[in-house]
Amino acid sequence: AQRVTQPEKLLSVFKGAPVELKCNYSYSGSPELFWYVQYSRQRLQLLLRHISRESIKGFTADLNKGETSFHLKKPFAQEEDSAMYYCALSLGTGGFKTIFGAGTRLFVKA
Amino acid sequence: NAGVTQTPKFQVLKTGQSMTLQCAQDMNHNSMYWYRQDPGMGLRLIYYSASEGTTDKGEVPNGYNVSRLNKREFSLRLESAAPSQTSVYFCASTDGNYGYTFGSGTRLTVV
Repeated sequence: AQRVTQPEKLLSVFKGAPVELKCNYSYSGSPELFWYVQYSRQRLQLLLRHISRESIKGFTADLNKGETSFHLKKPFAQEEDSAMYYCALSLGTGGFKTIFGAGTRLFVKA
Repeated sequence: NAGVTQTPKFQVLKTGQSMTLQCAQDMNHNSMYWYRQDPGMGLRLIYYSASEGTTDKGEVPNGYNVSRLNKREFSLRLESAAPSQTSVYFCASTDGNYGYTFGSGTRLTVV
């Protein structure tokens, strides 16, 4: 069965510290993975896609098919990074249905 | 450029009442989705429409119905609201495997 697991509900780090939000997936097909972010009182928005191999707001994520992981990383956290982060797995076919993890709330302390 | 627009933003219903959540997108996207967001459970897919004229059940369809009125609009109906349907509802759309564009959400409370 397809599944996305984010093991941490809450992650608290100090400003300037590195941050890693963990994501593991279960999928027999070729995965298309995304990270979405939801800032306080704002709508969910796409942060990055693994296929683009991009860095957005200093965040990067590498797909590790061997470990079935897609962890989100940033070397130096900023207070404005405090938000809810969702890892998501697109099933591709059938209208690009997407399965979301439960989310990790990142809190960056001053 | 509105993107995805949802109405209403807030709603309180009594158990047994009905209501329709409206969603419209102006990006000419083929696929549209309804999710509910509950604490600790992330987003769960209720229904989706891969293209105009088609709808399919997602993970948690019970108690809901949908209508893909045209390419722009995808509504979600609660025929007889229950307290378990208290949640935040999000509409989203996409036109490929590029990620979703979300609406601002509807916070629904059923008492």
